[in-house]
Amino acid sequence: DGGITQSPKYLFRKEGQNVTLSCEQNLNHDAMYWYRQDPGQGLRLIYYSQIVNDFQKGDIAEGYSVSREKKESFPLTVTSAQKNPTAFYLCASSTRSGTSARETQYFGPGTRLLVL
Amino acid sequence: GESVGLHLPTLSVQEGDNSIINCAYSNSASDYFIWYKQESGKGPQFIIDIRSNMDKRQGQRVTVLLNKTVKHLSLQIAATQPGDSAVYFCAAKGGSNYKLTFGKGTLLTVNP
Repeated sequence: DGGITQSPKYLFRKEGQNVTLSCEQNLNHDAMYWYRQDPGQGLRLIYYSQIVNDFQKGDIAEGYSVSREKKESFPLTVTSAQKNPTAFYLCASSTRSGTSARETQYFGPGTRLLVL
Repeated sequence: GESVGLHLPTLSVQEGDNSIINCAYSNSASDYFIWYKQESGKGPQFIIDIRSNMDKRQGQRVTVLLNKTVKHLSLQIAATQPGDSAVYFCAAKGGSNYKLTFGKGTLLTVNP
């Protein structure tokens, strides 16, 4: 089955600790995205990548880092600099990275990050 | 910048009724719109999309209407079922901008 997988489903972070959320897709999509979802708010873009070895900051990148070494993978690290990390994190991917393309973004199942 | 809002945060309907969920957007250059369904604890699921050169698009039990004059779109669900209970939100993509702007969502509750 083609799709987007995220792991783990739940993740606990201790104060001062960096944690990494995994996102893998086998859809052969060029572009990948990370969003944060908080109760009562719309999805907010953290980082996105249009092509391997390239990524850009979204609206709320502070305290987060990413890498894109492979087309299939786009891991997100929540660093200790992110003071309010508790949220539901969603990874998405889309077919084309051109700025004029009307690409649909497809989402993974999400990772819920909780702070101990 | 773009903002996307939903008219009602919650909607309660009886099983078998038709549901209408509304969404407004601010950027007149937006040219692509998507409706997503999100069940509790899960990732958003694509329902239907529409491009700005269309006014209406139909899927299985769902219809999306786009009114560019007033920058409004709606999702209609026919014969609503308990399995349709979820949060629904719209997203808009503005012109040459890659970025999707998401609304906050409407919680649809279907009563048996």
